[in-house]
Formats: sequence, C-alpha cells, structure tokens
Amino acid sequence: AQSVSQHNHHVILSEAASLELGCNYSYGGTVNLFWYVQYPGQHLQLLLKYFSGDPLVKGIKGFEAEFIKSKFSFNLRKPSVQWSDTAEYFCAVNARAAGNKLTFGGGTRVLVKP
Amino acid sequence: EAGVAQSPRYKIIEKRQSVAFWCNPISGHATLYWYQQILGQGPKLLIQFQNNGVVDDSQLPKDRFSAERLKGVDSTLKIQPAKLEDSAVYLCASSLDRANQPQHFGDGTRLSIL
Repeated sequence: AQSVSQHNHHVILSEAASLELGCNYSYGGTVNLFWYVQYPGQHLQLLLKYFSGDPLVKGIKGFEAEFIKSKFSFNLRKPSVQWSDTAEYFCAVNARAAGNKLTFGGGTRVLVKP
Repeated sequence: EAGVAQSPRYKIIEKRQSVAFWCNPISGHATLYWYQQILGQGPKLLIQFQNNGVVDDSQLPKDRFSAERLKGVDSTLKIQPAKLEDSAVYLCASSLDRANQPQHFGDGTRLSIL
C-alpha cells in the first residue's frame, strides 16, 4: 500500500533560519508529489507540486522542493523563514495510474518564533 | 473564484447519534472528495466522486458512513450511528475533471463525539 512519511512532527525555529522538512514515500510506480500548507484557522492550500521535468520545483512564498527519485524523497525547503510561515505542512502523493487519489503524510507543525 | 464551501463548521453530538455534513464544490469541478483528518494525522480519503458516480470508496466504513452526490454538484456525508473514534475534522475537496489537477479544500467540519 502507498504510504507517505514525514520525519518531524514539530519544528521550532527563529525568523531568518532555514527550513527543511523531510518527506519519503513508498510507491514503486510513477507518482505525482505535492506539498500542502495549513495556516492557523485556514483551509489546506497547495504550496507546490511535481509531476515531471525539473526535479527542483519552486512554489509560492519562496518555498521549493526537490524530488530525488532514487531516495523516494520530496523534501521541502525555504532558505529564510518568516513568522507568517507558522503553519502545518503536509506532503502528499498520488500514483498516476490511480487517478487523483491523494495519500497524505502525518504533517509537520512548524512554529517560527519572531 | 469562490472556494469549497462546507457546513457546519463545528458539530458536537453524543455517541450513537447521527450527523450529516454538507459540501458545495468549486463551480465546474467534476471531482469531489471527502477526507477524515484525525487529530495529529494527515487527511485520509474516505470517498471520491466523479460527477455523481463513486470512483473510490475503499476506505469508507460503510456500516456507518454514507455519502451521496445526487446531481453531481453538492454532496452530503452522513455518519449513523457515530462512535467516539469518529471525532475528527471532515474535509471536502474538489478538482477539475482532468488528470493531475490540484485539489482545493474547504475549511472542514470539526466533529466531536461525547
């Protein structure tokens, strides 16, 4: 069965620090990869996605993610976080052969201290 | 564009009672999803509709959960009877009827079972 693992449940860091959130998936076929973000009191929003092509994907708000096929990973990065990046971040995967069904990781809560 | 609308935002019931949630997807989105998000976990797909037909309900506990999308637009999700372990946020999402389209999420309904 398809599964998605996010390594850290909670991350606390100061403004201007760099952020990297790990995501690994277990699926042998061709996959689409996503990062969603949920700001406090808001709905889930798409941060970025990877379908094919350049494995380094740039999303909104200065976020980027790198797809490393050999490691089954899709880690999210931001060079310098802001207090407004405080949110919960979810990695999600779907198998292209299985339509648009998403499997989510458990999420990582990020707290940025001002 | 208007987002995915869900109601109610919050619901508190006692175990063994029944409850229903409503979702209105983004106009023109043929695909609709219901997810269950238990505290501390990522969303888990319960059921996926393509217009008014069910595409995937493999993770729907059919002995107590039911969902319908009669006219291919709005959808309702029902739980009858509710159990304590059904306490969660129920998320509705929608997407265009094309491959690799991102899902747009509503604010969710937070259900508490007493």
